[in-house]
Amino acid sequence: SAVISQKPSRDICQRGTSLTIQCQVDSQVTMMFWYRQQPGQSLTLIATANQGSEATYESGFVIDKFPISRPNLTFSTLTVSNMSPEDSSIYLCSVQTGQGASNEKLFFGSGTQLSVL
Amino acid sequence: GQQVMQIPQYQHVQEGEDFTTYCNSSTTLSNIQWYKQRPGGHPVFLIQLVKSGEVKKQKRLTFQFGEAKKNSSLHITATQTTDVGTYFCAGIKAAGNKLTFGGGTRVLVKP
Repeated sequence: SAVISQKPSRDICQRGTSLTIQCQVDSQVTMMFWYRQQPGQSLTLIATANQGSEATYESGFVIDKFPISRPNLTFSTLTVSNMSPEDSSIYLCSVQTGQGASNEKLFFGSGTQLSVL
Repeated sequence: GQQVMQIPQYQHVQEGEDFTTYCNSSTTLSNIQWYKQRPGGHPVFLIQLVKSGEVKKQKRLTFQFGEAKKNSSLHITATQTTDVGTYFCAGIKAAGNKLTFGGGTRVLVKP
C-alpha cells in the first residue's frame, strides 16, 4: 500500500494565476499519475509523471498548461497554469507501487479541490 | 478510442434491498478494476477481475467479469448506508496499458 499526502486540499484562485499541487508518497513508487475529476464526473488522466524526464500527457492536455515535475520516486508536482473557471475541478495524484505493470491497482491522494473565480 | 460506460448513472436504493450496476466497454479488456469513492473522498480500490467469466465476492459485494471480457457488474445485497458513494469501473484494453474509467454509478441509500 501507499500513503499519499496531497496539498493543498483546496484553494480558491483568481483567473490568470497558477497553482502548484504537491504529491508526497511515503515510499518509492514506480508510477505516478495526475487525474482530473470535474464535479460529479469520472476521472480523466492528465499525464503520467516520469522520474527524471518529461511527463507523458494524454490527448487534450499539454505541458504548457499543466507542467509536471517528478524529481524523485516519492514526489511530484502538478501546476495548473493561467487558470480559467473551466479549470475548476478536483485534481488527484495517484500511484502504483508494484513493478509498473498496467494491471496494478491505483492508490489515490485525497485530492485538491480547485475553484477559479 | 476506448470507451467505458456505466449504468445506471444514479441508483437510489432502499436500505436492505439489492441492486446491480453495470459496466460496458467498447473494446475487449485485459482486466477490469472497481473503485469506490465516498462523498468528499477519493477513489479506493475494491477489486480486480482478470479472467473471462470470473466472479469474486467481498462480503455483500459480488463482482463479475463477462465471458467476452467486455462487460462487468457489481451486485450489492442488503444495501446499507455505508454503501453510499460512487462506484467506478476502470478497464485496460487488451494489449493496452492505460486504465480508462467509466462514468461511475452514484449510489444513494434511503434509510
